[in-house]
Amino acid sequence: EPEVTQTPSHQVTQMGQEVILRCVPISNHLYFYWYRQILGQKVEFLVSFYNNEISEKSEIFDDQFSVERPDGSNFTLKIRSTKLEDSAMYFCASLREINSPLHFGNGTRLTVT
Amino acid sequence: AQSVSQHNHHVILSEAASLELGCNYSYGGTVNLFWYVQYPGQHLQLLLKYFSGDPLVKGIKGFEAEFIKSKFSFNLRKPSVQWSDTAEYFCAVRYMEYGNKLVFGAGTILRVKS
Repeated sequence: EPEVTQTPSHQVTQMGQEVILRCVPISNHLYFYWYRQILGQKVEFLVSFYNNEISEKSEIFDDQFSVERPDGSNFTLKIRSTKLEDSAMYFCASLREINSPLHFGNGTRLTVT
Repeated sequence: AQSVSQHNHHVILSEAASLELGCNYSYGGTVNLFWYVQYPGQHLQLLLKYFSGDPLVKGIKGFEAEFIKSKFSFNLRKPSVQWSDTAEYFCAVRYMEYGNKLVFGAGTILRVKS
């Protein structure tokens, strides 16, 4: 079964540095998402992306965050200047059509020191 | 605001015990309902989903869930758990009038003792 793949599995960065988290969604999927889970807390929605633009974003997704689908296969999340509180597991997800379940990647654990 | 509540954060059961994990969601019109499971070190996997029709849905690995509209609930059940069911279980709701995103519950960590 096709999978959503995320790289790297674990990234450690210093506060203030930029990070890019990468995802390859399932190839015939049209809707793309980023979620995050701070340790011990809920899985939280960050952003959804469809037709090469953001369709919805949460309050968490401020000016420090951006997403891009640069080449039709990758879907990236960039954090411009990381903060300690950005430490979390970041999940990418995709779906083919509206009334179908999300398929999640394995996640990238981001640690900001 | 849309919210999803899972009643138990930690559940410990012995093998062969029956399982029921509670999930309630805030009212918000038409909903799609999901249970996801996350085994240690793995990604979120879909256990089962409800979109419409029969409110009792069957998923993988012997799990089932019942949608009770009047109670805004979607509880997950399994008659007899196995050690391999040790995982974290997430209830999630898509509020159809509020976009496409899923709203997750806080998760329930299930530990099955062998």
